Amino acid sequence: EAQVTQNPRYLITVTGKKLTVTCSQNMNHEYMSWYRQDPGLGLRQIYYSMNVEVTDKGDVPEGYKVSRKEKRNFPLILESPSPNQTSLYFCASRTGGRTDTQYFGPGTRLTVL
Amino acid sequence: GNSVTQMEGPVTLSEEAFLTINCTYTATGYPSLFWYVQYPGEGLQLLLKATKADDKGSNKGFEATYRKETTSFHLEKGSVQVSDSAVYFCALSDLSNFGNEKLTFGTGTRLTIIP
Repeated sequence: EAQVTQNPRYLITVTGKKLTVTCSQNMNHEYMSWYRQDPGLGLRQIYYSMNVEVTDKGDVPEGYKVSRKEKRNFPLILESPSPNQTSLYFCASRTGGRTDTQYFGPGTRLTVL
Repeated sequence: GNSVTQMEGPVTLSEEAFLTINCTYTATGYPSLFWYVQYPGEGLQLLLKATKADDKGSNKGFEATYRKETTSFHLEKGSVQVSDSAVYFCALSDLSNFGNEKLTFGTGTRLTIIP
């Protein structure tokens, strides 16, 4: 089954404790992206990757890092989480076609205390 | 920059009612337009899309027409069901933004259908 998976689905942590949210897709997609969803703001892009070893900032990259060492994986790293990073996070992927559909993972709900 | 404005919610309708959720956009290039749906506890799923002016996207009884003259992409359904209860997001992808065809989302509209 074609899908985007994220882990963990739910995470409660404390300020300053490094964490990684994993994202993996099995569709051989080149383009992957991370979004955060906040009430009243919709979804905003954090980082994206056009292919292996090619990443760049989205609209709200502060406090986040990413890596793309393999085509299928695109982890989101919070080196020192803060309460304002409490949010619902979505990973997405699509093929190289620019009108193609983006496929979203199920989301990771993160709470930083 | 690009932006999407969609109808404020929440919207509550009775089953079999007609649905319209308004969406307008601002884009500097040549956007593709999308409606995504988010069911409770799930990720976003593509509902329909249109890639150029006057295209009509349709799926599961929902329709939306890409209107360049009014910069709109309103979502409609003739007869809603309880199972349509979800949050609906309008989004655009700017094809002139080479290298990052990110989606710019509206704030979402929560729809509740009452039996």
